[in-house]
Amino acid sequence: AQTVTQSQPEMSVQEAETVTLSCTYDTSESDYYLFWYKQPPSRQMILVIRQEAYKQQNATENRFSVNFQKAAKSFSLKISDSQLGDAAMYFCAYRSAGQGNTPLVFGKGTRLSVIA
Amino acid sequence: SAVISQKPSRDICQRGTSLTIQCQVDSQVTMMFWYRQQPGQSLTLIATANQGSEATYESGFVIDKFPISRPNLTFSTLTVSNMSPEDSSIYLCSVARAIYGYTFGSGTRLTVV
Repeated sequence: AQTVTQSQPEMSVQEAETVTLSCTYDTSESDYYLFWYKQPPSRQMILVIRQEAYKQQNATENRFSVNFQKAAKSFSLKISDSQLGDAAMYFCAYRSAGQGNTPLVFGKGTRLSVIA
Repeated sequence: SAVISQKPSRDICQRGTSLTIQCQVDSQVTMMFWYRQQPGQSLTLIATANQGSEATYESGFVIDKFPISRPNLTFSTLTVSNMSPEDSSIYLCSVARAIYGYTFGSGTRLTVV
């Protein structure tokens, strides 16, 4: 079974600075998808960024980018120019690329605080 | 991506009672997923609900405790039965519209007293 590990329970960053959240995963599959979700206090799960394993190019979405290292099974999230609204729980998630829709497997999450 | 309406948003229930959570999707989807998020924890998959068949439960979750209905392609319910304080959690439904188009309901915060 696939597992996702987030080794940083909490992180903090100064406003306008850059922070990197770590994620590693374990799988025997060669094709899969990886995601970062943000969960603010409102509980709503918000997709931040996604990465297809077959793509070598790292995904970027505005201030958010990933460092995807397939051989190392690592998928870190970099948040640039951090804003107060970035404060939330961040979950790394894995999805198999098999046929049909398969559920996401989540890491334990990293709570990010942004200091003004 | 799909829009999901999840109800109720929160509830406080007496132990021994049951609560049914509803998720309505704005379009047809094949599978719906139900997750539990215990306080300060990550999301754990309870079951996968496929229309027209019995839900598939993950290890540690049983149908008698968490019965699921999926009467059509846009609607599902999860019931938390015979509740105890350990069932106090956030419950979320989720759907996948495309390979990576996962959408979540807004969650139900359940407190059992």
